[in-house]
Amino acid sequence: GENVEQHPSTLSVQEGDSAVIKCTYSDSASNYFPWYKQELGKRPQLIIDIRSNVGEKKDQRIAVTLNKTAKHFSLHITETQPEDSAVYFCAASRQNNNDMRFGAGTRLTVKP
Amino acid sequence: DADVTQTPRNRITKTGKRIMLECSQTKGHDRMYWYRQDPGLGLRLIYYSFDVKDINKGEISDGYSVSRQAQAKFSLSLESAIPNQTALYFCATSWTSGTGELFFGEGSRLTVL
Repeated sequence: GENVEQHPSTLSVQEGDSAVIKCTYSDSASNYFPWYKQELGKRPQLIIDIRSNVGEKKDQRIAVTLNKTAKHFSLHITETQPEDSAVYFCAASRQNNNDMRFGAGTRLTVKP
Repeated sequence: DADVTQTPRNRITKTGKRIMLECSQTKGHDRMYWYRQDPGLGLRLIYYSFDVKDINKGEISDGYSVSRQAQAKFSLSLESAIPNQTALYFCATSWTSGTGELFFGEGSRLTVL
């Protein structure tokens, strides 16, 4: 089955700096790559996703890039703010989303 | 608002006890999932169901069983709980004809002593 690796496990940045989280996946048939944000004590929530037919997607301060050849995708957060502090999970699945696999998570801390 | 509700939210039990975690949803989604979250291991899929008559094992199904009692209800059982099943459990839903987004419940924290 799919295996998703996520790095780094922890990331600390100053407010206003950029943050990048990287994930690799093993199943070349995976074509859906979401990112979830989990604030302390809360449930994970989708923040952005990308499908294999595009290489980049942007939504305000967050963007995701996908390199299908290398089987890796990344989350980019620009102009970080304290409220961006959370655990971020990447995930990968095939078209029918029957077995979505998550990375181990990255704890992002944005220092004021 | 349509939501995914889990009960109980917190449970402490002893080794060998049978435990059931329940999930109900008012989103009208057809797909339901149970995930387990452990520090440093992310979210791991235990079981998933695409409709009432469809049950599938996930990545870590050993020691767990599920029941899809209705489209809106999906319960997870631990027949004989053991300490390494101490974790935060999340139910999630999605829509076959949707984008693939998972909608999570608030989580059930289980401690097995």
